[in-house]
Amino acid sequence: GAVVSQHPSRVICKSGTSVKIECRSLDFQATTMFWYRQFPKQSLMLMATSNEGSKATYEQGVEKDKFLINHASLTLSTLTVTSAHPEDSSFYICSARGWGGTEAFFGQGTRLTVV
Amino acid sequence: AQSVSQHNHHVILSEAASLELGCNYSYGGTVNLFWYVQYPGQHLQLLLKYFSGDPLVKGIKGFEAEFIKSKFSFNLRKPSVQWSDTAEYFCAVISNQAGTALIFGKGTTLSVSS
Repeated sequence: GAVVSQHPSRVICKSGTSVKIECRSLDFQATTMFWYRQFPKQSLMLMATSNEGSKATYEQGVEKDKFLINHASLTLSTLTVTSAHPEDSSFYICSARGWGGTEAFFGQGTRLTVV
Repeated sequence: AQSVSQHNHHVILSEAASLELGCNYSYGGTVNLFWYVQYPGQHLQLLLKYFSGDPLVKGIKGFEAEFIKSKFSFNLRKPSVQWSDTAEYFCAVISNQAGTALIFGKGTTLSVSS
């Protein structure tokens, strides 16, 4: 299958700072990328969907000013958690789908800890 | 509310036992159905998927799933589990009524003892 690389895999930041997470499709062009958040022992909750070159579509309850998503190229999307707080600590996972594709490929996830 | 339900939160089996994990969805319209597996410390991997055609789908590592439209179900099965099947299993749906993203169930933890 296609490869999606997510970086960093683990990050610790201080409360009030911002953190950027990158998601790259290594061997295909990702026309659509999805960002999920996974709480311990719970499912993946969709945060937003982004199409290359367009503004992201956020799910209800997700603050777009707090979770900034940029999908400027067909191989890269970034999620920036702004002014992070301890309650933002979670596992963030990106997923990418190519043009006309029905299968989405997942990154390895980023464990964010805000102290 | 529309959702994906996985009935079993934690399943514990001995090696060679048979496995069936339940998945029901409440979306109407056209659905694509998936089962993903997440081994400890690894990222999500696709086990199998159903788009159309034969409702009995075979995936990797001996897994299969059956789509029963009348029951809105897509249960995952394996005749004989191995210790290496210990993982988290997620059922997911793409519905044309719910956008283009995968919507996941809460997941089932499978623990297989040798």
